[in-house]
Amino acid sequence: QQQVKQSPQSLIVQKGGIPIINCAYENTAFDYFPWYQQFPGKGPALLIAIRPDVSEKKEGRFTISFNKSAKQFSLHIMDSQPGDSATYFCAASGETSGSRLTFGEGTQLTVNP
Amino acid sequence: KAGVTQTPRYLIKTRGQQVTLSCSPISGHRSVSWYQQTPGQGLQFLFEYFSETQRNKGNFPGRFSGRQFSNSRSEMNVSTLELGDSALYLCASSLNFNQETQYFGPGTRLLVL
Repeated sequence: QQQVKQSPQSLIVQKGGIPIINCAYENTAFDYFPWYQQFPGKGPALLIAIRPDVSEKKEGRFTISFNKSAKQFSLHIMDSQPGDSATYFCAASGETSGSRLTFGEGTQLTVNP
Repeated sequence: KAGVTQTPRYLIKTRGQQVTLSCSPISGHRSVSWYQQTPGQGLQFLFEYFSETQRNKGNFPGRFSGRQFSNSRSEMNVSTLELGDSALYLCASSLNFNQETQYFGPGTRLLVL
């Protein structure tokens, strides 16, 4: 029940395309859902996060869509650029789990020029 | 403000040895979490420390331990190293306990031969 399932495992898009990465969770105690971006040799960097009381959040070219009833959330990257090529992780945490994050498996995104 | 720093960045050890990794959180952050990242298991939570006390622990054997000092710096120790302990060990800091917004360091790459 602690798992977060992420898909796809890898994704290739052309510059300007809109890659979409999906995550699903089971634990209804989760109430915080961040997305992290990781470049090779670096630690994950927080991109954007959402709570279940909103269905969508935008920050720059990054948008999270959240479906509480389906227990799913997704990341959309508008006008993707080659510099967005990285591994993306969704994660979740709950009020009773401290700062502990449960991560999805990761999606390796490649944006071709 | 300086980010999370981790030392050393790279380590090579042999089976049976022990290793100590260090993490300095962002100035003013009092909570430190540790994660293990491997290609097969992804990002997995090890433990969280706040006010020099372990507040949360993941599903890892007792060979994995940690501590936090009064200045919030943290160390993790792995005893009797196994080949499967080869991984990127990431430290993340947050302002307080139960604070979901976490900032990751660059990690320590451990190779066990």
